[in-house]
Amino acid sequence: QLQLHESGPGLVKPSETLSLTCTVSGGSVISSSRYWAWIRQPPGKGLEGIGSISNTGRTYYHPALQSRVTISLDTSKNQFSLELTSVTAADTAVYYCARQVSHGLPYYFDSWGQGTLVTVSS
Amino acid sequence: EVVLTQSPATLSLSPGERATLSCRASRYISGYLAWYQQKPGQAPRLLIYDASTRAAGIPARFSGSWSGTDFTLTISSLEPEDFAVYYCQQRDNWPRDTFGQGTKLEIK
Repeated sequence: QLQLHESGPGLVKPSETLSLTCTVSGGSVISSSRYWAWIRQPPGKGLEGIGSISNTGRTYYHPALQSRVTISLDTSKNQFSLELTSVTAADTAVYYCARQVSHGLPYYFDSWGQGTLVTVSS
Repeated sequence: EVVLTQSPATLSLSPGERATLSCRASRYISGYLAWYQQKPGQAPRLLIYDASTRAAGIPARFSGSWSGTDFTLTISSLEPEDFAVYYCQQRDNWPRDTFGQGTKLEIK
């Protein structure tokens, strides 16, 4: 059974870089027709897509975050990562990693990590 | 660009009742729509994809349907564990505006 687990600092200072890693077990990040995604949820609010990466390294990023976000894949460790630069309080959220099934385009999420709360505060 | 609008924002029902949740797309997206359930403190769980296909392990009381740009998630007879927030999601302009704003299903 596929499992995903987010890890990284729970507190980041304003203007610094948020870095999270998602470790995948029970499956491979080089699976075809699969993307590896990051989604966030500000406290008390809905879900927001951040972006995703395919096994070939193709990426999709939210236009509002594109200048600040990088998603990368580490096939040797079966992990993928999120970096978000120049963070502000508006980036405070629970961050989820997820496996995304592709159907022509990146589509639905069939496995999720448990989520990790990242707070941006000095 | 597709925007998903869910209604109602909150639905108050009792266990055993039938729940009907709606998601309307701003333009035609064929049947490429998924539904998720999220309970407090938990990650979302995939319920339905391709508008009407139940994900693995999802009880038969959950069903999805669509017509044109209107999508419906139906829970035939509510169980206590079904009270949660439900989100619809489309693929066309991932990751922008990919999710609806959610419907909270609460106990009446």
